[in-house]
Amino acid sequence: AAGVIQSPRHLIKEKRETATLKCYPIPRHDTVYWYQQGPGQDPQFLISFYEKMQSDKGSIPDRFSAQQFSDYHSELNMSSLELGDSALYFCASSFITPGWEGYTFGSGTRLTVV
Amino acid sequence: GENVEQHPSTLSVQEGDSAVIKCTYSDSASNYFPWYKQELGKRPQLIIDIRSNVGEKKDQRIAVTLNKTAKHFSLHITETQPEDSAVYFCAASKGFQKLVFGTGTRLLVSP
Repeated sequence: AAGVIQSPRHLIKEKRETATLKCYPIPRHDTVYWYQQGPGQDPQFLISFYEKMQSDKGSIPDRFSAQQFSDYHSELNMSSLELGDSALYFCASSFITPGWEGYTFGSGTRLTVV
Repeated sequence: GENVEQHPSTLSVQEGDSAVIKCTYSDSASNYFPWYKQELGKRPQLIIDIRSNVGEKKDQRIAVTLNKTAKHFSLHITETQPEDSAVYFCAASKGFQKLVFGTGTRLLVSP
């Protein structure tokens, strides 16, 4: 069965650089969520999109932006990277209409900022 | 907003014993409560979930109970095995909205 695909799996960037993370949801899923998980921490919600519109926003820094495209894939853009941005970034997708189907997480992107 | 507390933070059991992890939530409007198992560096894997119209759900060695009045839910693992060792997260949400996670429980099952 198709799963949530994230790319890249690993990313190393220097401070003040920019990174772009991509997420391809399960086909027919209409909602994408982004989470950030620091070492030893629980996943923290960043932002979500439903039908290509931002549906909710969490603790996402102003340096980060995200969007969902017409093919439902989503990209998380991170600028002016800081050491503290080093984390696992997970994307999850779900299906809301007509009936809600629970989350499926991607394998994550491990971002290391040096 | 929603706040989820999870206890204990670490749990060590002997193989074959039972393990219980407890979570409380603050928002009475939350109606979906999944449990995730996460191995080091890997994605959270859904192991069981429960919706607010159900008090208990069981899947082989894993069960979840929900007390809406007290706003708490628990994960029960029976006949634990070494491969159950991982970090377990509870979470709460209102339907399709964002998941709010607990702080995690590191479960160690010793042979």
